[in-house]
Amino acid sequence: KAGVTQTPRYLIKTRGQQVTLSCSPISGHRSVSWYQQTPGQGLQFLFEYFSETQRNKGNFPGRFSGRQFSNSRSEMNVSTLELGDSALYLCASSREQDREQFFGPGTRLTVL
Amino acid sequence: QQQVKQSPQSLIVQKGGISIINCAYENTAFDYFPWYQQFPGKGPALLIAIRPDVSEKKEGRFTISFNKSAKQFSLHIMDSQPGDSATYFCAAGITGGGNKLTFGTGTQLKVEL
Repeated sequence: KAGVTQTPRYLIKTRGQQVTLSCSPISGHRSVSWYQQTPGQGLQFLFEYFSETQRNKGNFPGRFSGRQFSNSRSEMNVSTLELGDSALYLCASSREQDREQFFGPGTRLTVL
Repeated sequence: QQQVKQSPQSLIVQKGGISIINCAYENTAFDYFPWYQQFPGKGPALLIAIRPDVSEKKEGRFTISFNKSAKQFSLHIMDSQPGDSATYFCAAGITGGGNKLTFGTGTQLKVEL
């Protein structure tokens, strides 16, 4: 069974630009969560999508947004990038009633 | 109240020794406590998880101890091996709160020969 895949693996952007990251969950998983990982703040929850609806949201500004498609694939978008947005963005998927989350390898975003 | 505090920040253990990582939480609504292992360049992988209705759970060399009254839980790695060298994160979640997890700050474990 294929794991969670994230594309692209690496991105370099400049301040003010926007970026879209993609996540394909494990087949059959309908919940997709996004986390931001930085050395200073650790792993922080961004949002969770389930059946195309945002079910949970963390404490991030509105520049961070996401969506989920009918095939459970998810995208997150960051607009007006800031230097502090440089981070590893992790996507995790899980089944409806299962608490176990499977993480992808992440997308390393660098903002210059 | 949503924080999960993890210690130590880093840990060096000799091969064959016991690695112990501790976490504490404030929010009594938390009722799911997983531990994740992360290697460089990889996403976190679930090691073991516990719910408050048990005080200990063991899977192979990994054991979670849970103290509900103290709001603390810990990971013990028995017979630590160099391959266990990684960053370990504790986390907490709330049943009915979706799959949102609040993570500790991580412990970098190094197992020396």
